[in-house]
Amino acid sequence: DTEVTQTPKHLVMGMTNKKSLKCEQHMGHRAMYWYKQKAKKPPELMFVYSYEKLSINESVPSRFSPECPNSSLLNLHLHALQPEDSALYLCASSQSGSYTQYFGPGTRLTVL
Amino acid sequence: DQQVKQNSPSLSVQEGRISILNCDYTNSMFDYFLWYKKYPAEGPTFLISISSIKDKNEDGRFTVFLNKSAKHLSLHIVPSQPGDSAVYFCAASKSGNTGKLIFGQGTTLQVKP
Repeated sequence: DTEVTQTPKHLVMGMTNKKSLKCEQHMGHRAMYWYKQKAKKPPELMFVYSYEKLSINESVPSRFSPECPNSSLLNLHLHALQPEDSALYLCASSQSGSYTQYFGPGTRLTVL
Repeated sequence: DQQVKQNSPSLSVQEGRISILNCDYTNSMFDYFLWYKKYPAEGPTFLISISSIKDKNEDGRFTVFLNKSAKHLSLHIVPSQPGDSAVYFCAASKSGNTGKLIFGQGTTLQVKP
């Protein structure tokens, strides 16, 4: 089972809203990732969690706030986003120390 | 500064023929390379990978070749099938930084029946 699930599939929010994206995996992976992908561009790494601790923050604006409540769950809290933040947000996971990451289907976010 | 480059935005091949997707990198510290396939509205799916200690890795219809001196890798798909039509991304990483994949821009492959 190499499934990573993400909810919601689509999200539309205003610039003053607060929303959260959720990611879940039950593969026992101890590393989890958030990526942002704009149209016709490659995925760009945002955050890495290793053993539930934030290990990489790629200078992401504070309006994006990640959280890893346990080894299976990863959240991305969104607040005061801008229209240019509209993108596909991908979650991935991997075994600790492994290069191979397994991606979820993504959340298509639109900021109005 | 694009460390991983896929210079061909698109590729079209006939069903049954070979598809060759290319990827170049600039950082000689990269020592692990992966290929992902992505359908529209889905997340990338891992296809095949190769370590820098090898020059070839094969898995069914998919073979990845690595030329370290040229900093070049390629993905061969043979025979190509219409279901292979997707965007293909190569990605690179380096030891001690397994959490960070650097992706190329992607190549859209179309396999015509």
